[in-house]
Amino acid sequence: QVQLQESGPGLVKPSETLSLTCTVSGGSMSNYYWSWVRQSPGRGLEWIGYISYRGTANYNHSLGSRVTMTVDMSKNQFSLKLSTVTAADTAVYYCARVPRDSPPDVWGNGTTVAVSS
Amino acid sequence: IVMTQSPDFLAVSVGERATINCKSSQSVFYSSNKKDFLAWYQQKPGQPPKLLISWASTRESGVPDRFSGNGSGTDFTLTISSLQAEDVAVYYCQQYYSTLYTFGQGTKLEIK
Repeated sequence: QVQLQESGPGLVKPSETLSLTCTVSGGSMSNYYWSWVRQSPGRGLEWIGYISYRGTANYNHSLGSRVTMTVDMSKNQFSLKLSTVTAADTAVYYCARVPRDSPPDVWGNGTTVAVSS
Repeated sequence: IVMTQSPDFLAVSVGERATINCKSSQSVFYSSNKKDFLAWYQQKPGQPPKLLISWASTRESGVPDRFSGNGSGTDFTLTISSLQAEDVAVYYCQQYYSTLYTFGQGTKLEIK
């Protein structure tokens, strides 16, 4: 069955860019959307956005222009970049598969990212 | 769309019924397909959320039938008919009506 695995640095300095990659195994990326969700004690589960397999993205406006998502079908991966991070961006970051017009149904195990100098 | 769950914390005896409520700030019912874009998740410590129910009442494959979802429009419930020890978790509702998916704040369910 489809599995997702997040990877990336666990520590990012304030004002720098957080970069994470999600690798999809056991299935095709076609015909799905691919999303990022984060979770922190203070903010609960927060939808960051999603990107289609064709590269069309939709982001949470609360994050402004800090978010960029990309997809690389050849590597079965999609990525998240969050710029100008602060301590408020410290969270567990999950990637998840989103069938069209449906809720996220397959999730990665999550990766913890701390923002600290 | 703001999702508000109640209660924040719930303690129920094994074998008893547990009911969690979720209210959306606007309707998540889509008239063209007559479906409510509402999901329920279960999250255990150290694990990602697990999708239990979509379309307000459709159980995912493998989810025990003691879990059921009801409601429409703006008011929804998740019911566990006979609580088991393994059901201890935090439960979240989520709307996917808007492209900005939003979650409730969570309800922590424990054994009394």
